Amino acid sequence: SQQGEEDPQALSIQEGENATMNCSYKTSINNLQWYRQNSGRGLVHLILIRSNEREKHSGRLRVTLDTSKKSSSLLITASRAADTASYFCATDLRETSGSRLTFGEGTQLTVNP
Amino acid sequence: DAGVIQSPRHEVTEMGQEVTLRCKLISGHNSLFWYRQTMMRGLELLIYFNNNVPIDDSGMPEDRFSAKMPNASFSTLKIQPSEPRDSAVYFCASSPGQLLSGNTIYFGEGSWLTVV
Repeated sequence: SQQGEEDPQALSIQEGENATMNCSYKTSINNLQWYRQNSGRGLVHLILIRSNEREKHSGRLRVTLDTSKKSSSLLITASRAADTASYFCATDLRETSGSRLTFGEGTQLTVNP
Repeated sequence: DAGVIQSPRHEVTEMGQEVTLRCKLISGHNSLFWYRQTMMRGLELLIYFNNNVPIDDSGMPEDRFSAKMPNASFSTLKIQPSEPRDSAVYFCASSPGQLLSGNTIYFGEGSWLTVV
């Protein structure tokens, strides 16, 4: 399995609802990042959480990190149709001395107007 | 800043032809990454440079793939000869410093390659 596996693979919700996406990883990390990819575009960084942090907020985004369970979640509150995109978690592994990001397979979020 | 600039955005080529993808980093960034994205395999790291030096090319699938960074702001990814299974979106990305320090990666818009 890949380092950084998102769950669910696809999520469809109504505008205004909250969307929660989860990410699990296998080995120790320095930090974990979430990226967003609109269809046909490159990935865009959303938020970074360090291994010694448990929760972080940015606007409508809330990220949690549980290093004991090797998992993270991304919560988007009050979703909008414009939030429709694929969301990826990416881990910076300690074993690679912070030299690269390893991406999961992503969660496809659809927000219906 | 214009961001990471990739060219071409789209390319359709015949099997056996040479393909060259180009990337211009964000000014001041010193790390360069080439990723490949397909439906089957997701986003794979092909190679990564730091200060123009290739650090890890273990993700390069075969000898048909080669990447260079002739200067601090420019990189090429070459496939010769190309095969249909090379069809994918190739992303170039750059970072201003060590990811360990909490730096993030800035992606280009990708080069969509179709080999027929």
